[in-house]
Amino acid sequence: GENVEQHPSTLSVQEGDSAVIKCTYSDSASNYFPWYKQELGKGPQLIIDIRSNVGEKKDQRIAVTLNKTAKHFSLHITETQPEDSAVYFCAASMAGNQFYFGTGTSLTVIP
Amino acid sequence: ETGVTQSPTHLIKTRGQQVTLRCSSQSGHNTVSWYQQALGQGPQFIFQYYREEENGRGNFPPRFSGLQFPNYSSELNVNALELDDSALYLCASSLSTRFNTGELFFGEGSRLTVL
Repeated sequence: GENVEQHPSTLSVQEGDSAVIKCTYSDSASNYFPWYKQELGKGPQLIIDIRSNVGEKKDQRIAVTLNKTAKHFSLHITETQPEDSAVYFCAASMAGNQFYFGTGTSLTVIP
Repeated sequence: ETGVTQSPTHLIKTRGQQVTLRCSSQSGHNTVSWYQQALGQGPQFIFQYYREEENGRGNFPPRFSGLQFPNYSSELNVNALELDDSALYLCASSLSTRFNTGELFFGEGSRLTVL
């Protein structure tokens, strides 16, 4: 099956700086790559996603890039704010019903 | 808020017992997926129910079973609980086809502790 690896496991940035989280996947058949934010005591919430026919997608301060050849995708958060502090998960899915998640990145934004 | 509600939010069981977790899906969604999230890990796929039938299963033993009802709500049942079953159980609803799961909307989870 698919294997998704995520780095780093923890990340601390100063408020206003950028944060980058990287994921790799193993199955070239994967074609959908969502990113989730999970706050303490809550379920994961979708923040942005990208499909394999697109190389980059942006939504305000959040962007995701996808390199199909290298099988990796990244989350970029610019102008970080304290409310961005949370655990972020990447995931991969092929045309099917199972999503494979990374192990998470705990992001801390220091005011 | 995603509109997906789970109950109970927390529960404690002892080894060997059985547990039932419940999920109400978001209005208009036809699919429920269940995930297990161990502490410090990403969610792992248990199974999915599409229009009341199991539609895919992850690497979990048969003592993990489920149901989906005509109103698309769902139950997860775990028999013969083991210590390693302690985790956050997440339900996610989506509007899907049999072969393609749409965007997942997660509930806040049921935290199960097995002693």
